[in-house]
Amino acid sequence: AQSVTQLGSHVSVSEGALVLLRCNYSSSVPPYLFWYVQYPNQGLQLLLKYTTGATLVKGINGFEAEFKKSETSFHLTKPSAHMSDAAEYFCAVSDKAGGSYIPTFGRGTSLIVHP
Amino acid sequence: GAVVSQHPSRVICKSGTSVKIECRSLDFQATTMFWYRQFPKQSLMLMATSNEGSKATYEQGVEKDKFLINHASLTLSTLTVTSAHPEDSSFYICSARQPGLAGYEQFFGPGTRLTVL
Repeated sequence: AQSVTQLGSHVSVSEGALVLLRCNYSSSVPPYLFWYVQYPNQGLQLLLKYTTGATLVKGINGFEAEFKKSETSFHLTKPSAHMSDAAEYFCAVSDKAGGSYIPTFGRGTSLIVHP
Repeated sequence: GAVVSQHPSRVICKSGTSVKIECRSLDFQATTMFWYRQFPKQSLMLMATSNEGSKATYEQGVEKDKFLINHASLTLSTLTVTSAHPEDSSFYICSARQPGLAGYEQFFGPGTRLTVL
């Protein structure tokens, strides 16, 4: 069974500082990995995804994530935080076990950006 | 990217009434749609998988007679909360899969805030 652990329910950074949101997963087969962002009272928007190939994935809004199989991690980073990055971030994993590819979501990390 | 809409965005109803939420894929055909429920400050909980032309598959613990799902066309799925009670108040989000897309990515609707008085 697949699962996702997001370390830290809240991450607080200053504007311009590095953003690091942690995600570890477990999967019995090679996974697909996703990061989504959710703004208040809105649905989820895909930031980036890893399927195959290059392990460093670049997404929208300057975010990127690196798939590290040996560490079963898919941490999300951004070099310089902006006030508009304040939101809820969800990591998700899906795999073909069972053939459904239905993703499992982490509990989410709330990113707080201070001026 | 693909666009998924939901209607209504917000609904307030009295206890005992039924509420229908629509989920539409606007620029692609979705054979599979998903319904999620999200409590405040929590993650998404998958309620059911909706397949066009067949019965929905419900997750364990989700009452299928309470949450009726109909996927009548390749672009529309509906969730009806029957005899709603205050504990059904939540944020409901649908998503749809675009066939053939790498990674089986899902596209999410903007969500529907249901408040049952």
